[in-house]
Amino acid sequence: KAGVTQTPRYLIKTRGQQVTLSCSPISGHRSVSWYQQTPGQGLQFLFEYFSETQRNKGNFPGRFSGRQFSNSRSEMNVSTLELGDSALYLCASSLSTSVDGELFFGEGSRLTVL
Amino acid sequence: DQQVKQNSPSLSVQEGRISILNCDYTNSMFDYFLWYKKYPAEGPTFLISISSIKDKNEDGRFTVFLNKSAKHLSLHIVPSQPGDSAVYFCAASALRYGGSQGNLIFGKGTKLSVKP
Repeated sequence: KAGVTQTPRYLIKTRGQQVTLSCSPISGHRSVSWYQQTPGQGLQFLFEYFSETQRNKGNFPGRFSGRQFSNSRSEMNVSTLELGDSALYLCASSLSTSVDGELFFGEGSRLTVL
Repeated sequence: DQQVKQNSPSLSVQEGRISILNCDYTNSMFDYFLWYKKYPAEGPTFLISISSIKDKNEDGRFTVFLNKSAKHLSLHIVPSQPGDSAVYFCAASALRYGGSQGNLIFGKGTKLSVKP
């Protein structure tokens, strides 16, 4: 079956702009999480959604937001972009949020802010 | 403050030998630990996990050991193969305290190179 699909794969923005990233989970998966990966900080948790509800949120400023639709697809938005937002943004999906719900990652969206 | 630490950014091992990747954590509420492997230009893939009620979990060539008193876990790969060359991330969650499978705290990763 198809894996987690993230679009776009690469994008370049300038400071002050905003960006929207999209994630389509594996069919049947209802939980979607977002992570930011940077060379200095590794993978950092952004948010987790389950059945259109945000279950957990990481320690990121309010410029970072997300949502999940009824078909489990998810989007994240970053407003007023800063140079430090340049990173690989990874989306992951799982069947549920239980301990047995293995997390499947997409290939990521690489954002460069100039 | 980093709650999950992988103090070795890189590790080089000869093919056929054992690779040992280490991970330390500071949060005593963590009760579920995982290892993920990441190749360049790909997302991380799940490798193996362990619950805090166990001290060892084995899956083929991969074994994870958990020492709760030392807040330390390690991943052993035996024998190491060139295809194991990747970045390995340790991750943790506090499932009994509101954490979930999707909300993981990751270390910064260790780049493993297995030489033929």
